[in-house]
Amino acid sequence: GQQLNQSPQSMFIQEGEDVSMNCTSSSIFNTWLWYKQEPGEGPVLLIALYKAGELTSNGRLTAQFGITRKDSFLNISASIPSDVGIYFCAGPKLNRDDKIIFGKGTRLHILP
Amino acid sequence: SAVISQKPSRDICQRGTSLTIQCQVDSQVTMMFWYRQQPGQSLTLIATANQGSEATYESGFVIDKFPISRPNLTFSTLTVSNMSPEDSSIYLCSAWDVAEAFFGQGTRLTVV
Repeated sequence: GQQLNQSPQSMFIQEGEDVSMNCTSSSIFNTWLWYKQEPGEGPVLLIALYKAGELTSNGRLTAQFGITRKDSFLNISASIPSDVGIYFCAGPKLNRDDKIIFGKGTRLHILP
Repeated sequence: SAVISQKPSRDICQRGTSLTIQCQVDSQVTMMFWYRQQPGQSLTLIATANQGSEATYESGFVIDKFPISRPNLTFSTLTVSNMSPEDSSIYLCSAWDVAEAFFGQGTRLTVV
């Protein structure tokens, strides 16, 4: 079945560094969604991508929908302490646009 | 974007009892879903809450254990029945609104 492979599993970076994480699948996705989750909260949608090749920014965040429709990446520039959290990629299940499946997440840690 | 209120936010329950979690959306939405998330892990879809009919469950989840109601387009409940410590988890309500999924803050359940 459709699965989303997200990497890296965790990252330890210095404040101010740029961050890059990605998500791949053996299946084609028509939509890619990137979420951030902080402790004790539900996931919050950061960026939604709907078109192959699409590059979208939201402040310091930039995400791209891969040309093959089987991958996406999320970049965070000039990281700050409040960027700490778990980042999930997600997308609708094949032929079931109404169900979202999630990658396993990338846990971002920022060193003081 | 839809705003989702979920309650309770957390509870500690005795094994063998049941807990009903409520989810209220601030606008009418087509689709509502329930997810389970182990701490630090990804989200697993439990079921789709269908308005006016029985919920659609994912593999590994059954109605007797997780009965779901959805009486209208803004409200749903999930009951975790006959609880055991293995049911300790975070339960999240989600609504699908204009090709994007939004989440409540989650219910952290501990079964003792």
